[in-house]
Order: sequence, then C-alpha cells, then structure tokens
Amino acid sequence: GENVEQHPSTLSVQEGDSAVIKCTYSDSASNYFPWYKQELGKGPQLIIDIRSNVGEKKDQRIAVTLNKTAKHFSLHITETQPEDSAVYFCAALSFGNEKLTFGTGTRLTIIP
Amino acid sequence: DSGVTQTPKHLITATGQRVTLRCSPRSGDLSVYWYQQSLDQGLQFLIQYYNGEERAKGNILERFSAQQFPDLHSELNLSSLELGDSALYFCASSGMAWEGGNEQFFGPGTRLTVL
Repeated sequence: GENVEQHPSTLSVQEGDSAVIKCTYSDSASNYFPWYKQELGKGPQLIIDIRSNVGEKKDQRIAVTLNKTAKHFSLHITETQPEDSAVYFCAALSFGNEKLTFGTGTRLTIIP
Repeated sequence: DSGVTQTPKHLITATGQRVTLRCSPRSGDLSVYWYQQSLDQGLQFLIQYYNGEERAKGNILERFSAQQFPDLHSELNLSSLELGDSALYFCASSGMAWEGGNEQFFGPGTRLTVL
C-alpha cells in the first residue's frame, strides 16, 4: 500500500520568513495530494491540494509543488504569521481508492 | 467550519464498554470516511461509506463497525473497548466517490477516553 513520509517533524520559523515542509510517497498510482492544517483541539482543515497533472499550485501565501518523477511534494508558506502555527499533514490518494494516506505531521511554530 | 458535524465532542467510558460516534456529512456529500488519530499512530483511515454502502476498509479492528443511513449520516460503533482505543476519531465527507481525488472535509472530531 501507499506510504507517505513527511519531514521535518518540527519546524520553527521567524515571523515573516518562509517555511517548507516536504513529503515523499511510494505508490506511483497516487494522483491527488492534499495538505491539511490542524490546530489544537480541531479537526484537520484542507488548505491546499494538487493533482498529478499539475506541477505547482499557489493560493496567496501558500504553494504546493509536485515532482512526480521523484515522487515528492512540498508545501511552501511565505511571509509566515503567528496564526500559521499548527500541525501540518500531507496526504496522498490514488484514483479509484479514496483512502487518504497521511504523513506523520509537522509541528510548525512561528516565532514572533 | 467544514460543514461536517460530529457528536459527542468528548466521551469518557470504561474498558469493555461499547460506544457510538455519530457523523453528519456536508450537505450533498455522499461519501463518509472515518479516521482514528492517536499520538503514536498518527491519522489512520478506518472505513469509508458511499451512499449507504461500504466502499473501502483500512486497518479497522473487528471490534469496530460502522454504517451509513439513508439520510447519509454515519455511525461508528466501538465495542469491547480497550485502553488503547483512546484517541480522536474524525469523520470526513466528500462528493462523488467515483470521481477520485475529491476533497475530504473533516469534522471537529470526538475525543474518546477509555479508563
């Protein structure tokens, strides 16, 4: 089955700087890669996603890049703000199999 | 607010007991997914229902079962509870399952504590 690895497990960034979180996946049939943000006491919130026919997607300060050949995808957050502090999860899913496989999460802390 | 609701928010029970967790999907969503989140296992897929039918199964224990009703709400039943079942249980919903890769929207979760 699919295996998703996520790095780093913790990340501290000065406010205003950029943060990058990386994930690799094992199943070449995976074609959908969402990123979730989870704040304390809340459920995961979808913040951005990318499909395998696209190499990059951007939404304001958040961007995701996908390298299908290397089987890795990354989340980029620019101009970080204190409210970006949370746990971020990457996930992968293959067509016809709606089961999301999650990475182990990255705890992002923005230092004011 | 994702539009997915879950009840109860918290549940405290004893080993050996049985509990039922409830989920209402977003309006119009036919698929419901259940996930377990524990400190040592991360977010793990348990089971998926689509329009009342079981569609996919993950590492769900035999002590656990689920169903989706005609009004599309879903219930996750956990029986013969053990200390290790203490975790956050999330429900997510999405649109047409056969389209593949549809966004899954998560509810706020139920925190289960087994004493």
